[in-house]
Amino acid sequence: GAVVSQHPSWVICKSGTSVKIECRSLDFQATTMFWYRQFPKQSLMLMATSNEGSKATYEQGVEKDKFLINHASLTLSTLTVTSAHPEDSSFYICSATRANYGYTFGSGTRLTVV
Amino acid sequence: QKEVEQDPGPLSVPEGAIVSLNCTYSNSAFQYFMWYRQYSRKGPELLMYTYSSGNKEDGRFTAQVDKSSKYISLFIRDSQPSDSATYLCAMSAASGGSNYKLTFGKGTLLTVNP
Repeated sequence: GAVVSQHPSWVICKSGTSVKIECRSLDFQATTMFWYRQFPKQSLMLMATSNEGSKATYEQGVEKDKFLINHASLTLSTLTVTSAHPEDSSFYICSATRANYGYTFGSGTRLTVV
Repeated sequence: QKEVEQDPGPLSVPEGAIVSLNCTYSNSAFQYFMWYRQYSRKGPELLMYTYSSGNKEDGRFTAQVDKSSKYISLFIRDSQPSDSATYLCAMSAASGGSNYKLTFGKGTLLTVNP
């Protein structure tokens, strides 16, 4: 079946530093990848949609200069949280999709900014 | 009114019980309906994927979609302690590609007691 690998699974960083999260589709080529954010006991909130080779589309209220998304290939998308602050601490999840095959999620990255 | 409504629970049942989870939605454009299971601090795992109205069965899980009532359900038969997780409904207007998005319910926290 479709597998999406997300790395790292957890990261702690100092306030003001940047953190990169990787999302890879291991056994299929993902035309589109999505990045979500999830706060405790809340549902997933879509942050942005990325297509291979083009700029990401950000949801309203998401700072594109703070959450940099790169989708360089059909199997890899990265989310970089720049100049992270404690309020950016959250659970970040990616998903990858191709037409008619649904959406496969990564295992998530727990980011803690101290 | 939110696009997707889901009772967050929590729901606690004894082992072996039949569990019924449901969501209502307001967007008549939704055609693809999914149920995901999410364990604590993990990414969502796809359980059921259904197009349009009707029933779909997979082992102990049955998904039902009633588009006329804008109501979807997930039934779990012979529930097991390992079924304890948060169950998220999700839906979209398209099956893939760059112009569709998943809209999630808040998730229902289920505990199956031995």
